[in-house]
Amino acid sequence: GIQVEQSPPDLILQEGANSTLRCNFSDSVNNLQWFHQNPWGQLINLFYIPSGTKQNGRLSATTVATERYSLLYISSSQTTDSGVYFCAVYRAAGNKLTFGGGTRVLVKP
Amino acid sequence: NAGVTQTPKFQVLKTGQSMTLQCAQDMNHNSMYWYRQDPGMGLRLIYYSASEGTTDKGEVPNGYNVSRLNKREFSLRLESAAPSQTSVYFCASSEFRTVANYGYTFGSGTRLTVV
Repeated sequence: GIQVEQSPPDLILQEGANSTLRCNFSDSVNNLQWFHQNPWGQLINLFYIPSGTKQNGRLSATTVATERYSLLYISSSQTTDSGVYFCAVYRAAGNKLTFGGGTRVLVKP
Repeated sequence: NAGVTQTPKFQVLKTGQSMTLQCAQDMNHNSMYWYRQDPGMGLRLIYYSASEGTTDKGEVPNGYNVSRLNKREFSLRLESAAPSQTSVYFCASSEFRTVANYGYTFGSGTRLTVV
């Protein structure tokens, strides 16, 4: 099956810093989602982004489908950005979403 | 505005006991899914239902059964719980309308401990 790898596995940031999270995937995909899992365990959809760039406030994401990777940018990080960020890819053949291992982010005040 | 609702939120079972996790969605989605998340890991697919009346195995189906009761509800059953099934269980639903708008919606999870 498709492999999804995220890097780095852990990230510690000072409040106000910027960061980039990466997601590599091993085969072509029909869609890609970025999720934030907050410290209470809730999974919150950030973006669905099969290609191109999207922005939502301090977060933005870029997917380069031809090169099989996606990037999530966090600018001016806040303590509420702490949690785990997951990339997940969808393939219509199989009709299922496959998750990467996540990047654990801690933003210190 | 409920989205995907899971019950219960927390459960402790003894080894060998059985239980059913309930999931309901109010978005009229065709597809529903059950995932498990073990500590420090991503989510792994247990079973899914592409549409009402159909179910299929995912990556880790052993020890589980599912029922797609109707379009809204998809339940997960543990017939004889084992400590290896201690995990957080997430239900999700989706609707493939267009690639650009496609997305999954997740419930808030059920934290299950088997002792």
